[in-house]
Amino acid sequence: QSALTQPASVSGSPGQSITISCTGTSSDVGSYNLVSWYQQHPGKAPKLMIYEVSKRPSGVSNRFSGSKSGNTASLTISGLQAEDEADYYCCSYAGSSSYVFGTGTKVTVL
Amino acid sequence: EVQLVESGGGLVQPGGSLRLSCAASGFTFSSYDMHWVRQATGKGLEWVSAIGTAGDTYYPGSVKGRFTISRENAKNSLYLQMNSLRAGDTAVYYCAREGATGGLDYWGQGTLVTVSS
Repeated sequence: QSALTQPASVSGSPGQSITISCTGTSSDVGSYNLVSWYQQHPGKAPKLMIYEVSKRPSGVSNRFSGSKSGNTASLTISGLQAEDEADYYCCSYAGSSSYVFGTGTKVTVL
Repeated sequence: EVQLVESGGGLVQPGGSLRLSCAASGFTFSSYDMHWVRQATGKGLEWVSAIGTAGDTYYPGSVKGRFTISRENAKNSLYLQMNSLRAGDTAVYYCAREGATGGLDYWGQGTLVTVSS
């Protein structure tokens, strides 16, 4: 199972919106609405930001939103803030009770 | 408050074995699927294994046959037995709870495993 493909880095200025893509295959992202997104600050454990493609856990800012089209999922951060600077990972169910993570994207707030 | 605390990491020689533990508290442990996820230094996250509430287990090809996940509900504990360790297994290992949402909603702080001679 190959890792899902994410851009290595994305940057934006405070207040702007950015979108991170997560490209898989018809065997994972394209087959299941079980894509989740995680935020990870340096030296910290990952934090769940989005589950089931577009749902936000309690406590996560509504500036974070998710979507999916075909084999590609996307995470959009609107109203970018300094605290959003972190690494972001997508994850998809891949069938047979297996999961695959994305390659990760470093978000920089300019 | 949900807490997951990993332990058991350390330095091990190639070909050696190590057993990781994850102590859970603040929720009904037996009611949740649990996962192990690892991260090599400076690298991305990699799913390592999962165990269902019924004790069913799942692994990716990279660790299948070498790693064994298990749980002891009476002790609110999750384990990962790692055998035939390789340099490529060097990473921080996290235990994580799979929420009803299907996402991994709580994570431990991780434990470092270093495979080196």
